[in-house]
Amino acid sequence: QKEVEQNSGPLSVPEGAIASLNCTYSDRGSQSFFWYRQYSGKSPELIMFIYSNGDKEDGRFTAQLNKASQYVSLLIRDSQPSDSATYLCAVNGEGYSTLTFGKGTMLLVSP
Amino acid sequence: NAGVTQTPKFRILKIGQSMTLQCAQDMNHNYMYWYRQDPGMGLKLIYYSVGAGITDKGEVPNGYNVSRSTTEDFPLRLELAAPSQTSVYFCASSYPPTGTGVNEQFFGPGTRLTVL
Repeated sequence: QKEVEQNSGPLSVPEGAIASLNCTYSDRGSQSFFWYRQYSGKSPELIMFIYSNGDKEDGRFTAQLNKASQYVSLLIRDSQPSDSATYLCAVNGEGYSTLTFGKGTMLLVSP
Repeated sequence: NAGVTQTPKFRILKIGQSMTLQCAQDMNHNYMYWYRQDPGMGLKLIYYSVGAGITDKGEVPNGYNVSRSTTEDFPLRLELAAPSQTSVYFCASSYPPTGTGVNEQFFGPGTRLTVL
């Protein structure tokens, strides 16, 4: 059974700070990794995906992948109150047709 | 495009009742998924489909059934509802994964189901 572990939080950061969200996974065969954002009472939406070791940047968001350590992270620079949400880490599963999600980390950005 | 739509938004069932959660997408996606999300938990895959006429079990299929007669629709059937099925249900759709295993899943707004 594939497992994806995240610290449930909440992670509290002041506005303008860098928020660092972490995720570990159990299956070394996982190829692609995803970060979804979910506002309270809403559905998840994809922020970023990464499949190569190293960093991938998109605006204020940077995804980092280390396959040797089975670790993926999401950095949010210049955090804004509007970034307050639960961030779900997901890895691809059987035949890459499905995703296995972690429980999510709640991020709170205070003004 | 409406994207992924789900009906109903809310429903209260009595123990032992049955119902169908509707899901439709207009993005011509082959792949469709049903998840449940319990409070403070991530998404658990119930069933998925890679095309019309093809369905497969996910992590938590017991108590549910699905069918996929068209590309657009993927209904989820609950038979003999139980309190353990109280949850938020999300439907999602996507294109097939790329060679690097990337497939962005688009989610519907969810159905909040309570079984009493």
